[in-house]
Amino acid sequence: EPEVTQTPSHQVTQMGQEVILRCVPISNHLYFYWYRQILGQKVEFLVSFYNNEISEKSEIFDDQFSVERPDGSNFTLKIRSTKLEDSAMYFCASSELAAGELFFGEGSRLTVL
Amino acid sequence: AQSVTQLDSHVSVSEGTPVLLRCNYSSSYSPSLFWYVQHPNKGLQLLLKYTSAATLVKGINGFEAEFKKSETSFHLTKPSAHMSDAAEYFCVVSSGRGYSTLTFGKGTMLLVSP
Repeated sequence: EPEVTQTPSHQVTQMGQEVILRCVPISNHLYFYWYRQILGQKVEFLVSFYNNEISEKSEIFDDQFSVERPDGSNFTLKIRSTKLEDSAMYFCASSELAAGELFFGEGSRLTVL
Repeated sequence: AQSVTQLDSHVSVSEGTPVLLRCNYSSSYSPSLFWYVQHPNKGLQLLLKYTSAATLVKGINGFEAEFKKSETSFHLTKPSAHMSDAAEYFCVVSSGRGYSTLTFGKGTMLLVSP
């Protein structure tokens, strides 16, 4: 069964460092998303991406965040200068249609020290 | 604006007994509602969804949920719990403008004892 895969599963970084989280969406999907869950809090929407541009973003998704689809398969989330409060589980998701079911990856846990 | 409240952070049941996970929502639009499940070290999996068709929605693994507009509720039920149901369950609402901007509840951890 096709699935969304994310790497790394866990990353530890120092505050101020840049981090790139990678996602391989399901191959025929066109819509891509990042969500995050800070420990003990709700899963929150960050950004959606379609046709090589951001279609929607939340207020969390500020200038330190960026997304990219560098090739035909990967979808990345970059955090330019990490802060302690960026520590969270980051979930990638993809869907075939704009209003289609979201398929989530297993998440990447980011720990900022 | 939309929000979701899951009334219980933990629910404990015995195997073979019914499961009830409660969810209340608020939405400015006609909402679409979902339940997702997350097993340990796994991604979020869609259990079922309500999108303004039948108010009683059947999902995978014997789960179902009933949309009650008058009560703004979308509780998840299962007649008989199985050990493999132990997981975290998220009630989710969308804005109705598309699935992309989902608002999650805080989650309910379901514990199933033998």
